[in-house]
Amino acid sequence: GQNIDQPTEMTATEGAIVQINCTYQTSGFNGLFWYQQHAGEAPTFLSYNVLDGLEEKGRFSSFLSRSKGYSYLLLKELQMKDSASYLCAVRDDNYKLSFGAGTTVTVRA
Amino acid sequence: IAGITQAPTSQILAAGRRMTLRCTQDMRHNAMYWYRQDLGLGLRLIHYSNTAGTTGKGEVPDGYSVSRANTDDFPLTLASAVPSQTSVYFCASSAGDPGELFFGEGSRLTVL
Repeated sequence: GQNIDQPTEMTATEGAIVQINCTYQTSGFNGLFWYQQHAGEAPTFLSYNVLDGLEEKGRFSSFLSRSKGYSYLLLKELQMKDSASYLCAVRDDNYKLSFGAGTTVTVRA
Repeated sequence: IAGITQAPTSQILAAGRRMTLRCTQDMRHNAMYWYRQDLGLGLRLIHYSNTAGTTGKGEVPDGYSVSRANTDDFPLTLASAVPSQTSVYFCASSAGDPGELFFGEGSRLTVL
């Protein structure tokens, strides 16, 4: 099975940067995903890491260290619309995805 | 519009009743999944199907069954609903590389 940990809540100011950490312990690893979920909506895909290092996509970046079982999602130039839950998910060797409980980010003006 | 359609959007159900949540996709994805989402627990995998004609158990399969008669449809059945099955259910599909999940809009189920 998978054990995936991420903080429950984070608050930041509009225009600032927020880093959401995710640690995992897995019986196999075949990639790590980040999803965004606005309240009452379905999750949507943000990023994917399978090799160590940083993946940048506009204002969002995701980092992976497989040896440490660690990832982070970096949100830059925060906007009010970035207020949402961010879900860390790990794919195992059978290509099944397990999710962390999610981090609720609140952006304040 | 291509994507995943779930029905019903919301349902209140008496305990002991049978219920089927429907899921249809038009993206021709091979893999499909059912997750439930509960506050503080995140998304948990119930059942999955890697291709039409095959299914597998996820993390929390008890009390649920699925079938995959064709590529497009993946219904989830609760044979005899219990209050602990009150949740938001998401159907998802994936294909290709990196194989990210595409989610339906969810079905909110309340069992009384």
